Amino acid sequence: NAGVTQTPKFRVLKTGQSMTLLCAQDMNHEYMYWYRQDPGMGLRLIHYSVGEGTTAKGEVPDGYNVSRLKKQNFLLGLESAAPSQTSVYFCASSLRLAGVHEQYFGPGTRLTVT
Amino acid sequence: GENVEQHPSTLSVQEGDSAVIKCTYSDSASNYFPWYKQELGKRPQLIIDIRSNVGEKKDQRIAVTLNKTAKHFSLHITETQPEDSAVYFCAEGDNTILYSGGGADGLTFGKGTHLIIQP
Repeated sequence: NAGVTQTPKFRVLKTGQSMTLLCAQDMNHEYMYWYRQDPGMGLRLIHYSVGEGTTAKGEVPDGYNVSRLKKQNFLLGLESAAPSQTSVYFCASSLRLAGVHEQYFGPGTRLTVT
Repeated sequence: GENVEQHPSTLSVQEGDSAVIKCTYSDSASNYFPWYKQELGKRPQLIIDIRSNVGEKKDQRIAVTLNKTAKHFSLHITETQPEDSAVYFCAEGDNTILYSGGGADGLTFGKGTHLIIQP
């Protein structure tokens, strides 16, 4: 099993550009999450999904959209990138709700917006 | 989950000594408390977790204690080794919450502790 994978690993965007980050998991997990990690801020939840076709907002959802068309994939979109979105983005998945089963993280995507 | 305060932000200990990292939380409904370790440039990985019906849990050199009354929990690492150097994150969640769509699901993380093991 590959576990949780993310593409791309690195990306540089100009302000106003758009992009989509892809997260894939092969563990048949129901729940998937997108976090951002900034220095001194820990991990903050952007959006999450409790199953195919469902999404919900987390702590810092503004400026991002998500889709879960297939159970194994969770996409994070930036419609108009801003320098404040420069961060490392981690996807995670869990079999059930985070409190019931461990969250498994992907390797991260480092995004720089200039 | 709501706020999670984690202290200290940086901790330097001599190899072989013990390290203690503390977290406090505010949501009385929280009942799941995991600890993640993140090495430089790597993904966070779960190292130990505890649920609210247990006061202490050990796994070799690592232990976690929970005081629900005071709303704080701690990570204890004994006989520290160079490979323990990393950033450690505490987190809290409520595993009784079903899907609510209100943004309260998932884990709330502390800001992290950079543990440095001095040779």
